[in-house]
Order: sequence, then C-alpha cells, then structure tokens
Amino acid sequence: AQSVSQHNHHVILSEAASLELGCNYSYGGTVNLFWYVQYPGQHLQLLLKYFSGDPLVKGIKGFEAEFIKSKFSFNLRKPSVQWSDTAEYFCAVNALSGNTGKLIFGQGTTLQVKP
Amino acid sequence: DAGVIQSPRHEVTEMGQEVTLRCKPISGHNSLFWYRQTMMRGLELLIYFNNNVPIDDSGMPEDRFSAKMPNASFSTLKIQPSEPRDSAVYFCASSLGQHTTDTQYFGPGTRLTVL
Repeated sequence: AQSVSQHNHHVILSEAASLELGCNYSYGGTVNLFWYVQYPGQHLQLLLKYFSGDPLVKGIKGFEAEFIKSKFSFNLRKPSVQWSDTAEYFCAVNALSGNTGKLIFGQGTTLQVKP
Repeated sequence: DAGVIQSPRHEVTEMGQEVTLRCKPISGHNSLFWYRQTMMRGLELLIYFNNNVPIDDSGMPEDRFSAKMPNASFSTLKIQPSEPRDSAVYFCASSLGQHTTDTQYFGPGTRLTVL
C-alpha cells in the first residue's frame, strides 16, 4: 500500500533560520506530490505541487520543494522562516495509476517559529 | 467564491446519537472528498465522489458511516450511531475534476466530539 512518511513531527526554529522538512513516499510508479499547510485555526491550503518537469518546485510564501525520484523524497525548504510560518505542514502523494484523485497524506509536521 | 463550506463547525453529541455533517463544494467543481483528521491516524480519505457518484469509499471505517451527494452542490456524511472514537475533525474538499493534477481545496472542517 502507498504510504507517506514525514520524519519530523515537531520542529522548533528561531526566526530567520532555514527550514527543511522531510517527506518520503512508498510507491514505485509515477506520482504527483503536494505540500499543504494548515495555519492555526484555518483549513488546509496548498503550498506547492509537483507533477512533472523541473524537480525543484517553487510555491507560495517563499517555500520550495525538491523531488528526488531515486530517494522517493519531496522535501520542503525555506531559506529563512518567519513567525507567521508557524503551522502544520502535510506532504501528500497521488499515485498516477489506480485511484485517481486520491491523496495519501503524511502524519504532518508541526512547525513552531519563535520570534 | 466562498470556498468549500462546511457545517456545523463544531458538533458535540452523545454516544449513540446520529450525526450529520454537511458540505457545499466550490461551484463548478466535480469532485468532492471527505477526510478525517485525528492525532493518531492523521489525515485519512474516507470517500470521494466524482460527478455525484461515489468512486472510492474504501476509507469509510464501517457501516456506521455513510455519505451521499444528491446533487453537485451538496454532500452529507452521516454517522449512526456515533461512538467516542469517532471524535475527530472532518474535512470536506473539492476539486475541478478527478485528475491527479487537480488541486483539492479544503473546507474549514467540522470538529466532532462524541461523549
């Protein structure tokens, strides 16, 4: 079965620190990859997504993610975090064969940015 | 557009009672998804519809759960009878289609507490 693993459950950073959140998936075929963010008290919003082409994807608010097929990874990065980045971050995978539209989410990573 | 609308935002009920959660997808979107979020299991897809037809209900926990989409602008998720272990946040999401590249837009969620 497909699965998504986010290694960091809780990350605490100071403002201006660099961020990298890990995401690995288990599926041997072609995938679409997503990062969603959930700010406190708000619903999930799409940060960025990868379908094909350049494996380095840029999203909103200065976030980017790199798809490394050989490592089955899609890590999220931001060079300098802000207090407003405090949120929960979810990686999600959609396998291109079988169930269309079905997203498999990771457990989520809570990011706390200290001012 | 108002985005995905869910009601109620909070529901507190007693074990054994029937609970109905409601969702209005974004106008023009043809796919609708119901997710459940818990601390233990994270975000899980329960069921999704395309053009009002259930496509994948493999995530529905058991017969106590049922979902309907009588028309393109309304869906319900019903739990009967409810149990304390059903306590979770239930999210509805919609997308333009069921293609794997279609972004899912999430509603604010319904926080269900079963006493």
